[in-house]
Amino acid sequence: NAGVTQTPKFQVLKTGQSMTLQCAQDMNHEYMSWYRQDPGMGLRLIHYSVGAGITDQGEVPNGYNVSRSTTEDFPLRLLSAAPSQTSVYFCASNQNRGTEAFFGQGTRLTVV
Amino acid sequence: AQSVTQPDIHITVSEGASLELRCNYSYGATPYLFWYVQSPGQGLQLLLKYFSGDTLVQGIKGFEAEFKRSQSSFNLRKPSVHWSDAAEYFCAVGGSGNTGKLIFGQGTTLQVKP
Repeated sequence: NAGVTQTPKFQVLKTGQSMTLQCAQDMNHEYMSWYRQDPGMGLRLIHYSVGAGITDQGEVPNGYNVSRSTTEDFPLRLLSAAPSQTSVYFCASNQNRGTEAFFGQGTRLTVV
Repeated sequence: AQSVTQPDIHITVSEGASLELRCNYSYGATPYLFWYVQSPGQGLQLLLKYFSGDTLVQGIKGFEAEFKRSQSSFNLRKPSVHWSDAAEYFCAVGGSGNTGKLIFGQGTTLQVKP
């Protein structure tokens, strides 16, 4: 049972480049979320999904897009990378509001 | 607005000493509360959770937390800290609506002195 898998683990982008962070879960969870972690700020919600075909914005959505075509996958797209998007990104999934969230190992992104 | 505050950014304790990490939340309804731990370069691991019932909850690695509605607090405790407990600790509350999203505190970094 792999849980939540994120790829890549590390990435360096140039300003203006685009890329997709991949997230897959094999627990058949309905809920999936993307967070970014910055020093002293905890984890902040970027986008979330309550099921296939349904997504919504979180606290810091600007510059990011998501889609949820299947229950398993929830990719995060950076449209035009900016240095302010340098961060560690975590994907999480959970069964519903009342259950724990399972986290991937994170993607460390640097935008130069 | 829902929020979580962890007042202590950094705490240092001696190995074998007791530990208490503070967490205060702002939430209109009965909260779902969580403590997660993050070791350097790793993802987040759930220590314990509170949904309802007994206000003292036990978790993994010898941790416990007490929910106090009157104080809007959910402090994490451990009677005797081990060097391996050095990590960053996050308190979180389940967001409103049936969305599965979490609202996190800023985190507390625990350093353990030998």
